[in-house]
Amino acid sequence: KQEVTQIPAALSVPEGENLVLNCSFTDSAIYNLQWFRQDPGKGLTSLLLIQSSQREQTSGRLNASLDKSSGRSTLYIAASQPGDSATYLCAGEGQAGTALIFGKGTTLSVSS
Amino acid sequence: GAGVSQSPRYKVAKRGQDVALRCDPISGHVSLFWYQQALGQGPEFLTYFQNEAQLDKSGLPSDRFFAERPEGSVSTLKIQRTQQEDSAVYLCASKTGGGYGYTFGSGTRLTVV
Repeated sequence: KQEVTQIPAALSVPEGENLVLNCSFTDSAIYNLQWFRQDPGKGLTSLLLIQSSQREQTSGRLNASLDKSSGRSTLYIAASQPGDSATYLCAGEGQAGTALIFGKGTTLSVSS
Repeated sequence: GAGVSQSPRYKVAKRGQDVALRCDPISGHVSLFWYQQALGQGPEFLTYFQNEAQLDKSGLPSDRFFAERPEGSVSTLKIQRTQQEDSAVYLCASKTGGGYGYTFGSGTRLTVV
């Protein structure tokens, strides 16, 4: 059974720092990988999707990479801002069209 | 519609009461998923539809949970005889096809008292 681990569970940084969130899968056979953001009491907002043929995706200050051979993904956030404070979830899709399996998330707090 | 719509946004149920949660996916999205998210945890898979066919219901925690999508669009998750451990946020997601990402709704927060 696929399990997803996110490290660290929580992270506090001052504004302006660059940071890396980590995600690992017990089964490296991942089809698509998606990173989400969740604000308290809210649903999930998709940040980046790495499709099966891709290794990384970038959007603004965010960059996500996927190493299928090791079953690891990282989310890089450049020049963090207080508005980045949220929980970040990574999720993998084992086969096309099947359910996403989620990690427990990393809760990020960026102080001004 | 522009996004995935879930209703109600909040639901308080007395223990033993039946509840029905609704999900309106993005128009044309073939696949629809239900997830349960406990406080401080990641979403856990419940069930999955492709059009009107329920292809996987392995995540449903008990036979008190039932989901349907009779016309391949709107879906309803029903919980019978609710118990306190059913308290969670129930999230719905849809996607258009295999190579595309998932879009989630805002969820329904169920509190069983």
